[in-house]
Amino acid sequence: GAGVSQSPSNKVTEKGKDVELRCDPISGHTALYWYRQRLGQGLEFLIYFQGNSAPDKSGLPSDRFSAERTGESVSTLTIQRTQQEDSAVYLCASSLFSRGFYEQYFGPGTRLTVT
Amino acid sequence: AQSVSQHNHHVILSEAASLELGCNYSYGGTVNLFWYVQYPGQHLQLLLKYFSGDPLVKGIKGFEAEFIKSKFSFNLRKPSVQWSDTAEYFCAVTPNNNNDMRFGAGTRLTVKP
Repeated sequence: GAGVSQSPSNKVTEKGKDVELRCDPISGHTALYWYRQRLGQGLEFLIYFQGNSAPDKSGLPSDRFSAERTGESVSTLTIQRTQQEDSAVYLCASSLFSRGFYEQYFGPGTRLTVT
Repeated sequence: AQSVSQHNHHVILSEAASLELGCNYSYGGTVNLFWYVQYPGQHLQLLLKYFSGDPLVKGIKGFEAEFIKSKFSFNLRKPSVQWSDTAEYFCAVTPNNNNDMRFGAGTRLTVKP
């Protein structure tokens, strides 16, 4: 079936504007993750959803960042009042279940550039 | 703090050379270990994974990794690299009781033809 898809693939925005990034997980995957990858750095965990449980928001860097997911479908990551340090590739991944040994399948990412 | 360390930022090899990429982690307890690869212009994809059992894990494309619990290491190896192995390689660790996956900073491998 189809893999994880993300949109847009690239986003350039002015400092101070809000942006919304979208992730479509693999159908049937109950867990969904958002990561941030800054240039030359590893993946930084942001937030995790598991079914209808409360999300794990422990990785969100500030209250300007928020994410939503309806059931086991699409998720949106919103960054308000963007700053230049928010420039990064934002990756979404989904997995069948939330236990640690289930493989995560990654989307192509959204490259965000804040000017 | 829990962390995953990849010692090599950029490795350059000639074709047919042997490869070993280091990965160390600082979690205690039972862990699950992964190597992901990102080829140029492509998604991150799983190369291999270790949950339990034989500490020598074989993955796709001739890669293997060895889990050495006493050293908290999970190094990636390949006896003879090819130009097509040029990519970025990420080590990742999750504790067995949750899904908090932590990634290393990645190692960029360049294989010269």
